[in-house]
Amino acid sequence: DSGVTQTPKHLITATGQRVTLRCSPRSGDLSVYWYQQSLDQGLQFLIQYYNGEERAKGNILERFSAQQFPDLHSELNLSSLELGDSALYFCASSVGWGTDTQYFGPGTRLTVL
Amino acid sequence: GNSVTQMEGPVTLSEEAFLTINCTYTATGYPSLFWYVQYPGEGLQLLLKATKADDKGSNKGFEATYRKETTSFHLEKGSVQVSDSAVYFCALSDDGQGAQKLVFGQGTRLTINP
Repeated sequence: DSGVTQTPKHLITATGQRVTLRCSPRSGDLSVYWYQQSLDQGLQFLIQYYNGEERAKGNILERFSAQQFPDLHSELNLSSLELGDSALYFCASSVGWGTDTQYFGPGTRLTVL
Repeated sequence: GNSVTQMEGPVTLSEEAFLTINCTYTATGYPSLFWYVQYPGEGLQLLLKATKADDKGSNKGFEATYRKETTSFHLEKGSVQVSDSAVYFCALSDDGQGAQKLVFGQGTRLTINP
């Protein structure tokens, strides 16, 4: 158990809908990262937050957005969902940024029908 | 940009066999290098890491050495067990502008037969 929690574990929804994925980092960690794992794209970095502020952006679509709240939990919002958004979404956390080790949550499996 | 290339899987071995999973990287600067493991139905777990050239990371009998001259970080284990069956990901840290993201290889699925 990494100490990073993600909810829900599974999510099934329809095209065009909007969903919110939630992540609670390990106690004391200030950085939160979101990654997407899909069969065709592999594991890709989406976005990083540090202590409430966006620090880095990767291959995140404009339909996707994220935020980190004052209690340090984070939410990833996915809207206007398409079939191709079906994937496993991982959250990771680290103490700070730079070379800190990232610890991953168990993931949320999103299926768009 | 930075990238990681892993040997293609799947890899199937017998118990107690020697394991090597090749990983090479392309990066500007000197990234930290990682091996993560993903067991069926679970998230990624850090297996080992190395932060500078010639460093050796090790954990649970697995080892990898950061080779700057060959830009490689090959994963090795002397005697694998059935419980080592999983998907293994090589990754580097891309520390642009004070932030950090991990760049992953495509993963190598390892199956160990008893």
